[in-house]
Amino acid sequence: NAGVTQTPKFRILKIGQSMTLQCAQDMNHNYMYWYRQDPGMGLKLIYYSVGAGITDKGEVPNGYNVSRSTTEDFPLRLELAAPSQTSVYFCASSGTDGGNIQYFGAGTRLSVL
Amino acid sequence: KQEVTQIPAALSVPEGENLVLNCSFTDSAIYNLQWFRQDPGKGLTSLLLIQSSQREQTSGRLNASLDKSSGRSTLYIAASQPGDSATYLCAVNLYDYKLSFGAGTTVTVRA
Repeated sequence: NAGVTQTPKFRILKIGQSMTLQCAQDMNHNYMYWYRQDPGMGLKLIYYSVGAGITDKGEVPNGYNVSRSTTEDFPLRLELAAPSQTSVYFCASSGTDGGNIQYFGAGTRLSVL
Repeated sequence: KQEVTQIPAALSVPEGENLVLNCSFTDSAIYNLQWFRQDPGKGLTSLLLIQSSQREQTSGRLNASLDKSSGRSTLYIAASQPGDSATYLCAVNLYDYKLSFGAGTTVTVRA
């Protein structure tokens, strides 16, 4: 059972480049989330989705975009990358039972130089 | 805005000692509270979830307590082992299915 799969694991971008971080889950979860984790800090919510076609902003959405065309996939798009977006990005998903236990991917480590 | 604080930021103990990790939060109107474990370079793994109506939750050597009125939760790990070395994060879930995370406590268990 794969759970939550994120690709790529590592990426280096130049300032101004764009990229898409991929996230897929195979647990048929309605809820999906994107977080970023900066050194010594807790995770901050970027965007989340409560189902296909429905997305909403989290705490730190500026510089990012998302889409949710299927239940399984929730890609995160970075437009015009900036050094402030250097971080580790985590995708998570949860079902509507069990109290919202969130299952996390292994993360994407992104450096913008 | 929910603020979640974890103290201490780092902890080093000899093997066999009990661990006590603290988490405090500012808004007591929570749905539940979760404790996660994060290993270096890895994602987060859910350890325990305590519903707002519960006082504690246990799993093996792990026990988590919740005092909503004072905005505190404590994670106890009994008889620590080197394999318990990791960062432990506390996250508070409000009724909107969004989690607010603390910065974590990094634990080192010395053999």
